[in-house]
Amino acid sequence: EDKVVQSPLSLVVHEGDTVTLNCSYEVTNFRSLLWYKQEKKAPTFLFMLTSSGIEKKSGRLSSILDKKELFSILNITATQTGDSAIYLCAPTNFGNEKLTFGTGTRLTIIP
Amino acid sequence: GAVVSQHPSWVICKSGTSVKIECRSLDFQATTMFWYRQFPKQSLMLMATSNEGSKATYEQGVEKDKFLINHASLTLSTLTVTSAHPEDSSFYICSAPGPSPGGYTFGSGTRLTVV
Repeated sequence: EDKVVQSPLSLVVHEGDTVTLNCSYEVTNFRSLLWYKQEKKAPTFLFMLTSSGIEKKSGRLSSILDKKELFSILNITATQTGDSAIYLCAPTNFGNEKLTFGTGTRLTIIP
Repeated sequence: GAVVSQHPSWVICKSGTSVKIECRSLDFQATTMFWYRQFPKQSLMLMATSNEGSKATYEQGVEKDKFLINHASLTLSTLTVTSAHPEDSSFYICSAPGPSPGGYTFGSGTRLTVV
């Protein structure tokens, strides 16, 4: 059975701080690792990672995958109050489209 | 881009009644639909997978008779919460593999409150 564990479960930091969110996974026939940001409603796609060691970057957000150690991290630099959200990761695999999310990290940015 | 239209966005119902939630794929065919439930401050928990033309597959611990799922066409999947109770109050959201970034298109979610 697939397992996805995110840490920390909750994080409160001040605006301007840098945060690192972790995602560990166990899945057969790994295809990709997806990161999403969820505020009020539907999750918003952030990154899809398929290869180890290649950093993906979008503005202040970046993410990297380690397929050997089965984890990924999401970094947010110079955090803003608008970054407050639940961050979700989900591995995907070949042969099964089921999308199972991790426990999520609730990030709160204090002005 | 690809859209999954989910209705209603919120609903309040009385305990013991049933509520139907619809997810309709626009501009693409969704042969599969995933249904999730989310309690406050928690992650999205997969409840079941519906496939067009066949029976839904439920995750462990999800009552099939309580959460009826129908996938009647290539563009429509429905979730009916039967005999709803206050503990069923939650945020329900659907997702279909589709032509969106990341490969999945999400509905906008339904907030169900049972009183």
